[in-house]
Amino acid sequence: SYVLTQPPSVSVAPGQTARITCGGNNIGSKSVHWYQQKPGQAPVLVVYDDSDRPSGIPERFSGSNSGNTATLTISRVEAGDEADYYCQVWDSSSDHYVFGTGTKVTVL
Amino acid sequence: EVQLVESGGGLVQPGGSLRLSCAASGFTFSSYEMNWVRQAPGKGLEWVSYISSSGSTIYYADSVKGRFTISRDNAKNSLYLQMNSLRAEDTAVYYCARDSYDSSGYYPRCFDIWGQGTMVTVSS
Repeated sequence: SYVLTQPPSVSVAPGQTARITCGGNNIGSKSVHWYQQKPGQAPVLVVYDDSDRPSGIPERFSGSNSGNTATLTISRVEAGDEADYYCQVWDSSSDHYVFGTGTKVTVL
Repeated sequence: EVQLVESGGGLVQPGGSLRLSCAASGFTFSSYEMNWVRQAPGKGLEWVSYISSSGSTIYYADSVKGRFTISRDNAKNSLYLQMNSLRAEDTAVYYCARDSYDSSGYYPRCFDIWGQGTMVTVSS
């Protein structure tokens, strides 16, 4: 089965840039989606199709995808960005949705 | 307002059964593919099951195949998950999630709307 690997944690100072990676075999050939989940809340889609943003999501959230790594970038980080972030793809070979292991973003 | 509301969670003994429901409102339910996603306490997200808009196509995660059954009633704007032979490792918050779709017929294969979740605890 397809596996997506994320770093367990990322720490960033307010106003700086956070980069969260999502590794998978030839992930560049898939569409990658990203979710933000705050404690006690349901996940929220923040980036889809590698780099598109749903309406209402700030431009500070951006994404890229190439080779074996996809990246979610949060620019000008704010205290409210502190959350868990998950990448996700559709694995057509197994007809399964796959989530990454998740990354906890801490704002220092 | 577009909304998904889950219900039916609770405490059940190992080997028992439970049926979850998800009530949809604010959008044309029959046009959308739907999913169940779960999250064990302190753990990450795990996709559980998918059902197409008509109910004709269904997929399951390997961890629940043969034990769980997804279904929908488009007339009642409702999604269901019948869970049998429950195990301790099925303990989790269960979310229903809408599969994204745009008017041009493109399916990005991501989840754009989530419910608030319902807790299932399997324990003796």
